[in-house]
Amino acid sequence: QKEVEQNSGPLSVPEGAIASLNCTYSDRGSQSFFWYRQYSGKSPELIMSIYSNGDKEDGRFTAQLNKASQYVSLLIRDSQPSDSATYLCAANMDSNYQLIWGAGTKLIIKP
Amino acid sequence: GAVVSQHPSWVICKSGTSVKIECRSLDFQATTMFWYRQFPKQSLMLMATSNEGSKATYEQGVEKDKFLINHASLTLSTLTVTSAHPEDSSFYICSAANRGGQGQPQHFGDGTRLSIL
Repeated sequence: QKEVEQNSGPLSVPEGAIASLNCTYSDRGSQSFFWYRQYSGKSPELIMSIYSNGDKEDGRFTAQLNKASQYVSLLIRDSQPSDSATYLCAANMDSNYQLIWGAGTKLIIKP
Repeated sequence: GAVVSQHPSWVICKSGTSVKIECRSLDFQATTMFWYRQFPKQSLMLMATSNEGSKATYEQGVEKDKFLINHASLTLSTLTVTSAHPEDSSFYICSAANRGGQGQPQHFGDGTRLSIL
């Protein structure tokens, strides 16, 4: 069974601090990894893609991938209340573009 | 880029009505489109995978005669909920993957909130 696991939270972080979200995956054949943000009542929105080991930065967001440990993380610097949402981790491993989804981590940024 | 349009945004209708939801990729060709359902405070649940010009692949437990999917072109997929009942009330979301190659992310429409009275 191919799985992606995330801590459901909620993860509470003070405004201005770094929020760290983690995800592990079971299938070593996974090649592509994505972080999506989903606000309550809205559809998911892609915020980061990562394909290679190491860090990838985009503005306040940094995605980290460690294929040896089968671990993906998302760091949000200078957290803002508007970052409060559920963050979904997903992995792609086959040619049908299907994603294996984590259950999501609820992040709360406290002013 | 990678915009997916889904409509209607919300539907309220009587039990027994069939409801059609459209999903369009506006600025790319979507090899594959996906249909999800999400109940309040729950995870996304994949219902089916739709490839242009072929029959959709349904996930276990999803009735294909209940949820009809048509993917007639590389930019349009439709989901029809036939003879909808109150238990079909949910948030339905489509997504599309660019045909640019494996490893492409899915891009989501804004979702359709379906309420069956």
